[in-house]
Amino acid sequence: EAGVAQSPRYKIIEKRQSVAFWCNPISGHATLYWYQQILGQGPKLLIQFQNNGVVDDSQLPKDRFSAERLKGVDSTLKIQPAKLEDSAVYLCASSLEGAGQRQENYGYTFGSGTRLTVV
Amino acid sequence: RKEVEQDPGPFNVPEGATVAFNCTYSNSASQSFFWYRQDCRKEPKLLMSVYSSGNEDGRFTAQLNRASQYISLLIRDSKLSDSATYLCVANTGGFKTIFGAGTRLFVKA
Repeated sequence: EAGVAQSPRYKIIEKRQSVAFWCNPISGHATLYWYQQILGQGPKLLIQFQNNGVVDDSQLPKDRFSAERLKGVDSTLKIQPAKLEDSAVYLCASSLEGAGQRQENYGYTFGSGTRLTVV
Repeated sequence: RKEVEQDPGPFNVPEGATVAFNCTYSNSASQSFFWYRQDCRKEPKLLMSVYSSGNEDGRFTAQLNRASQYISLLIRDSKLSDSATYLCVANTGGFKTIFGAGTRLFVKA
């Protein structure tokens, strides 16, 4: 099966500019996640969608970050304006778990990520 | 205190050695657990789920100790290709999943 697709792979922008990342999850996966991974740290959840609804965005810096998942399939994550500390890898992941289903040990499948450098 | 804590390492072991990593979690409501492997500049990949009864997959064995709130990963007969960062993951129901910062392993010839 096709994996989680992300683009672009790399992005370099100046601080205060805006940037957008795109993710297409594995077909049939109800749940989509955006993670931020700063060098030397584990991935940190930014936002979780189930179909096209937001399940958890408690760690999303909403003053500058936004995300949407229209039609419950692909998703975009936007940063506006970017700060130096936003330099990180932005990982998209998807999983089978969905509303009403028993929590299964499926784990996630991650995309290859977008490496963002803010200068 | 971090919700999921791991020894960052690095662990430097010779080929053929047995190495074990522990990971502690603070939320007793955590329900499911995983180990992920992450190679340098790559995305994390699911290594194995961790079941209450413990589980084994080839050279890898995962254990869960709910009373002490930790999970472990044992790698037997280490290979050079096992060199990577191993991420511990705890999931509290309600879809809240926390990743540890990872333990780095270097296997040397």
